[in-house]
Amino acid sequence: GAVVSQHPSWVICKSGTSVKIECRSLDFQATTMFWYRQFPKQSLMLMATSNEGSKATYEQGVEKDKFLINHASLTLSTLTVTSAHPEDSSFYICSARDRIKVSSRTEAFFGQGTRLTVV
Amino acid sequence: KNQVEQSPQSLIILEGKNCTLQCNYTVSPFSNLRWYKQDTGRGPVSLTIMTFSENTKSNGRYTATLDADTKQSSLHITASQLSDSASYICVVSGGAGSYQLTFGKGTKLSVIP
Repeated sequence: GAVVSQHPSWVICKSGTSVKIECRSLDFQATTMFWYRQFPKQSLMLMATSNEGSKATYEQGVEKDKFLINHASLTLSTLTVTSAHPEDSSFYICSARDRIKVSSRTEAFFGQGTRLTVV
Repeated sequence: KNQVEQSPQSLIILEGKNCTLQCNYTVSPFSNLRWYKQDTGRGPVSLTIMTFSENTKSNGRYTATLDADTKQSSLHITASQLSDSASYICVVSGGAGSYQLTFGKGTKLSVIP
């Protein structure tokens, strides 16, 4: 099946620093990628939709200036958590859909996730 | 409001036993329903996808059912293995052409020897 690679798998950073998370579709092109956040024992919450070549669409309550999303190519989207604070500690997951096979039934492929801990 | 409710919240079963996980949804209009397996600290992996017209789909030891009239789905796991220990997430996609996904909170399954 299609592979979505997310990097790093875990990161620990100091409060006030920025952290970049990469999401790559390895064997397909993804016009759209999605970024989720998951707190312990909670479901995945959509943060934003990343569109190649245009601005990301953020969900209500998500600070676009804090969570910077760049989707510069059809196979790469990045999420940068700026000025991270301990409350940003969470599990961040990206997903992508195949550009060629887009339909409402198209499977979403998820990355492995990134465990962010801000100390 | 679109919602996906899963039960039970957690489940412990003996290795080799069967189990059934439940999913009720209120997403409208309905497009498809997906079951994912998520290992701790990993991203979700797709098990099955079912549209309105499909009422059962199997993937190895996993069998999902869908009743679009009652808006209920179940995931049945047969002959459980230790590696089945994970969270199982029900996800409903709404609207033709739409990619709005509504996630359930998942059922945490623990298979013990």
